[in-house]
Parts: sequence; structure tokens; C-alpha cells
Amino acid sequence: DSGVTQTPKHLITATGQRVTLRCSPRSGDLSVYWYQQSLDQGLQFLIQYYNGEERAKGNILERFSAQQFPDLHSELNLSSLELGDSALYFCASSVEVFLDNTEAFFGQGTRLTVV
Amino acid sequence: AQSVAQPEDQVNVAEGNPLTVKCTYSVSGNPYLFWYVQYPNRGLQFLLKYITGDNLVKGSYGFEAEFNKSQTSFHLKKPSALVSDSALYFCAVRDGDYGQNFVFGPGTRLSVLP
Repeated sequence: DSGVTQTPKHLITATGQRVTLRCSPRSGDLSVYWYQQSLDQGLQFLIQYYNGEERAKGNILERFSAQQFPDLHSELNLSSLELGDSALYFCASSVEVFLDNTEAFFGQGTRLTVV
Repeated sequence: AQSVAQPEDQVNVAEGNPLTVKCTYSVSGNPYLFWYVQYPNRGLQFLLKYITGDNLVKGSYGFEAEFNKSQTSFHLKKPSALVSDSALYFCAVRDGDYGQNFVFGPGTRLSVLP
């Protein structure tokens, strides 16, 4: 168990809908990352937050947004869902913002299926 | 831009034999390299990393990796494979303005046959 908790584990929704994925980082970790894993794109970095502030953006669509709350949990919001958004969404957390100084711990992921 | 290649989609090895999972990288500046493993229905688990120092890095579960700067490679190795090592292995490089995220390779599926 990595200590990173993601809910829900599975989500099935229809095209055009909006969903929210939740991540609770390990105790003491200030940095949260979101990644998308799909068959065609592999593992892609979406966005990072550190202590409530956005620190980096990767290949995140404009239909997607995220935030990190004062208690450090994070939510990834996906809207106007398309079939191609079906993927496994991972959250990871680390103590610091720079990966060479710290280890990143990954949650078990939320599997999103858009039908 | 940083990139990672894993030239083999699948590696099969017999239990007890040594295993190697290959990774090559392309980075600007010093490479910061990582190996993660993904078991079915699980998240990614950290195995080891190379930041600086010895070219042979030892990690979790008996795995090690050899950094070779001239060949821009960071191959994952284990002297004696176990059936329980069967999983999806990802090589990654640090990326971003502050090294704050990973660029992952496409993954290599390792099957250890009893």
C-alpha cells in the first residue's frame, strides 16, 4: 500500500458528462501529480500541484481541470467526456516538488470508462 | 525534450534465469532516471533511481540497473527471475522546468515462466 488513496476505483459514465476523481496524498506529502494511462498514449503527465498551487502542466486538455485543497487532497475534473478519455488515471504524491530529491508514490488509479 | 525508449514490448524469461529489461534515453543536461513496476490492478511502484554516483544502482526486490552514459542506456536487471516478477515495467526520466514530473517509456511486459 503506497499510502496514496484514489476514489472511486472504477467509474462508468456517458459521453458529454462530467466526473470528479479524488486523490488523498500520503501523510506529509505536499506535492500531487496526475497522470493518464491509456493504451494508445501510454503514461502521460497531466498536472502537478504543490501545497495548493499549480506548479506544472503537461498534456492536459482544456476540458480537464484540477485543484488541491487546503487539506492537500486533490481533485481532477473531467468534463464534456469523450470516448477517448477512457483511461486509467493515476495520482501520485511526494514530499517535495523536485523528483530527484524525493520519491513519488502512486495510487492504484481510477479506471474511467466513457460509453 | 526528454524521451525514453523501451525497445521491447515483451520480455519472456524462465524462472531462475537472469533478466534484462532495456531502456534508452534522450535528455538535455544530466539524466535523472527511474524504474517503476506496475502489477495488475495496482499503481506504479518505485524500484530504483539514478541521480548521480555509481553506475550500478541497487533497488527494491533484488533489482538493479546499470547506467551507461556513452550508450544512453539504463537497463534493468535481476540475477535470478521469479514468477512473481511478472509485471509491466516502466523506465522514466525526470522532466519539466524544475524536474517536477516524469516522462515515461511505453513499458515492457515481463513474463517469467515457471
